Amino acid sequence: EEQLVQSGGEVRKPGESLKISCKASGYNIANYWIAWVRQMPGKGLEWMGIIYLRDSDTTYSPSFQGQVIMSADKSTNTAYLEWSSLAASDTATYYCVRHRRYTRLTGDVWGQGTTVIVSS
Amino acid sequence: EIVLTQSPGTLSLAPGERATLSCRASQSVSSSYLAWYQQKPGQAPRLLIYGASSRATGIPDRFSGSGSETDFTLTISRLEPEDFAVYYCQHYGNSRWTFGQGTKVEFK
Repeated sequence: EEQLVQSGGEVRKPGESLKISCKASGYNIANYWIAWVRQMPGKGLEWMGIIYLRDSDTTYSPSFQGQVIMSADKSTNTAYLEWSSLAASDTATYYCVRHRRYTRLTGDVWGQGTTVIVSS
Repeated sequence: EIVLTQSPGTLSLAPGERATLSCRASQSVSSSYLAWYQQKPGQAPRLLIYGASSRATGIPDRFSGSGSETDFTLTISRLEPEDFAVYYCQHYGNSRWTFGQGTKVEFK
């Protein structure tokens, strides 16, 4: 089965760091990018950026450039999203989703979401 | 930066009725890179349409997409009870994505 499995929910205090993961399985990662999408409570979808697992080539949304770091480990087919200093405004559910390279197909497989709560 | 504006914000309809959702882009975009998603509470979004008009695997044919340049439409021909949800359009060209703000389809 082609799937993206994300790490579990997290509760952190403001100023703490965090790294969440998204593991791809059941398909050839060479053919796909992985994007990260934020959804704040009760709000819509926001694109954060996209990464190619094979070489870690990354494009950030201007809104998230400098706010998060995307990385990848091709040996484990895993993408990561990292914060060095969380703020309450980072409270949200974060999804990873795949995009097939050089085609029109996008978003056909999503992770289950990782809920991050930042509260003192 | 491309901005996608969806209308209406909320659509109140009964099962069996036709739903027409609009997505307008701030500038002309390639229809090859326009998608629609459905999201239910507590769930990840589900791809319905990509390339403006291609149904994703397993999506019923009551869902259809159309449009070009700046105006795109998602049509649900006859609403089933499971179709009441929030719908998002998305542009995904040049490794940069944008989502519309969503349209909620609710029971009338």
